[in-house]
Amino acid sequence: EAGVAQSPRYKIIEKRQSVAFWCNPISGHATLYWYQQILGQGPKLLIQFQNNGVVDDSQLPKDRFSAERLKGVDSTLKIQPAKLEDSAVYLCASSLDYGTGRTGELFFGEGSRLTVL
Amino acid sequence: AQKITQTQPGMFVQEKEAVTLDCTYDTSDQSYGLFWYKQPSSGEMIFLIYQGSYDEQNATEGRYSLNFQKARKSANLVISASQLGDSAMYFCAMRPNNDMRFGAGTRLTVKP
Repeated sequence: EAGVAQSPRYKIIEKRQSVAFWCNPISGHATLYWYQQILGQGPKLLIQFQNNGVVDDSQLPKDRFSAERLKGVDSTLKIQPAKLEDSAVYLCASSLDYGTGRTGELFFGEGSRLTVL
Repeated sequence: AQKITQTQPGMFVQEKEAVTLDCTYDTSDQSYGLFWYKQPSSGEMIFLIYQGSYDEQNATEGRYSLNFQKARKSANLVISASQLGDSAMYFCAMRPNNDMRFGAGTRLTVKP
């Protein structure tokens, strides 16, 4: 079974530029998540999709971050314009559902490391 | 809002010994799931163990066990017979409703 795919693995940009990250979840997983992990910290949820609808985007800085999940499969996270504090690893994860049971287990991609100069 | 607290930024353990990583949480929900993940230096997040809030028995997965004390809202991870490959960051996470929130993590170092 193929895992969660993310690209690019690494990206270096200057502040005020834009960047986009792509994620393809495990086939059949209805729920998709984007997390931001700053060095030395735990992952912070940015946005959660159920199929192609948004379940939770309360911690997404909407003035500069946007995300979409067209057709309920793959997803794109965009940052425009980037700030220095956006330097982090962006983790995509998927799960069968978002219940409190074992089926709510998250499967993670390898992450996309962003450096903003 | 739910909160997950891991009070140990770093822990050391001798190879082949057992170690306990602490996790406390705060939620008003009665139904929730608790998860532990391992993150080696390579960066991937690896699922270790799950405990449901209504599970009466503590979860076990190989060398991993979860010491679940519901009244104290704690879900400590116990790793038995530590191995050098266990050196990594360990994250406690909770899912009380829709989303999954993570603690700040504990860095475990296994000494030979």
